[in-house]
Amino acid sequence: GENVEQHPSTLSVQEGDSAVIKCTYSDSASNYFPWYKQELGKGPQLIIDIRSNVGEKKDQRIAVTLNKTAKHFSLHITETQPEDSAVYFCAASRVGKIIFGKGTRLHILP
Amino acid sequence: DVKVTQSSRYLVKRTGEKVFLECVQDMDHENMFWYRQDPGLGLRLIYFSYDVKMKEKGDIPEGYSVSREKKERFSLILESASTNQTSMYLCASSFSRDNEQFFGPGTRLTVL
Repeated sequence: GENVEQHPSTLSVQEGDSAVIKCTYSDSASNYFPWYKQELGKGPQLIIDIRSNVGEKKDQRIAVTLNKTAKHFSLHITETQPEDSAVYFCAASRVGKIIFGKGTRLHILP
Repeated sequence: DVKVTQSSRYLVKRTGEKVFLECVQDMDHENMFWYRQDPGLGLRLIYFSYDVKMKEKGDIPEGYSVSREKKERFSLILESASTNQTSMYLCASSFSRDNEQFFGPGTRLTVL
């Protein structure tokens, strides 16, 4: 079946450094790629998304890149802060059928 | 402020019981979703609905059913709960397909 692979499963970075999370997807017809952040005890919340007609999108310290040929997309967080500590999920969607990656637990070290 | 609410934060049921998980959204969204979240497995889609009285199976529908009689309410039903259905259940809604989903806080269900 269709699949989304997400790496790494755990990531620790020093406060102020950058963090990168990578995902690959199998369904070449996927056209919407959201990233969600889940804090402890809460439901996931969208932080950024990208559509298949765009290669890169940026929102302040967060950016996402998409390589449709390689079926690969990545989340980049710069100047990390303690409040960035959370679990991050990537997803790939096609006509509403969405598949999530297994998540990355990001630790920001003081 | 947009809101998705789920009927319970924590629920404990016994094997074989019929379980109802309720989800309500106040954003007039067309689409609603039910996921389960397990450690190391991420979010897996159980069922989704694009309109009232419509439903479609997700990746893991076995052992579950859903009901959507009103636009704002989407219920997940476990006909006969089993221990392997112990999990965190998340409901979400979105305005349209392939668009931002708004999640509820989740219901942690334990089946004994």
